[in-house]
Amino acid sequence: DSGVTQTPKHLITATGQRVTLRCSPRSGDLSVYWYQQSLDQGLQFLIQYYNGEERAKGNILERFSAQQFPDLHSELNLSSLELGDSALYFCASSVAQGLDSPLHFGNGTRLTVT
Amino acid sequence: GENVGLHLPTLSVQEGDNSIINCAYSNSASDYFIWYKQESGKGPQFIIDIRSNMDKRQGQRVTVLLNKTVKHLSLQIAATQPGDSAVYFCAENPPGNQFYFGTGTSLTVIP
Repeated sequence: DSGVTQTPKHLITATGQRVTLRCSPRSGDLSVYWYQQSLDQGLQFLIQYYNGEERAKGNILERFSAQQFPDLHSELNLSSLELGDSALYFCASSVAQGLDSPLHFGNGTRLTVT
Repeated sequence: GENVGLHLPTLSVQEGDNSIINCAYSNSASDYFIWYKQESGKGPQFIIDIRSNMDKRQGQRVTVLLNKTVKHLSLQIAATQPGDSAVYFCAENPPGNQFYFGTGTSLTVIP
């Protein structure tokens, strides 16, 4: 068990809808990362927060947004969903702000858009 | 180093044998590397890491070797067990704001 908790485990929704994915990092970790993993691609970095502030952005669509709250949990909001958004969404946490300590991943939320 | 379309290399080993999984990383400026294991339906699980000032690091049943000259990383698993069956991939930290993850190798352990 990595200590990173993601909810829900599965989400099935229709095109055009909006969903919120939730992540609780490991105790003591200040960084939260969001990744997308689809069948034909590896892990795609979306966004990172450190201690409540956005620190880095990757390939995140404008329809997607995230935030990290004072208690350090994070939410990823996906709106105007398209079929191609179906994927596994992982949250990872790290003690550090930079890329010099390991990321610890949750077990993901499987999103299916129909 | 960026993720590409997934046609994973595969490795099949007999239970009890040693496994060696390889990774070619892309950026000579990367100075921190991580190996992950991902089982079906689960998130990537941290196995072991190594910094560029080291050539070798050992954990429990696992050893990571780093060859900076040829930008190559390997993961050795001793006495491979059925529970080791999974996809293994490496990550590097090139200059910038994100880790890059390899596409992975699918390891199957034959009982």
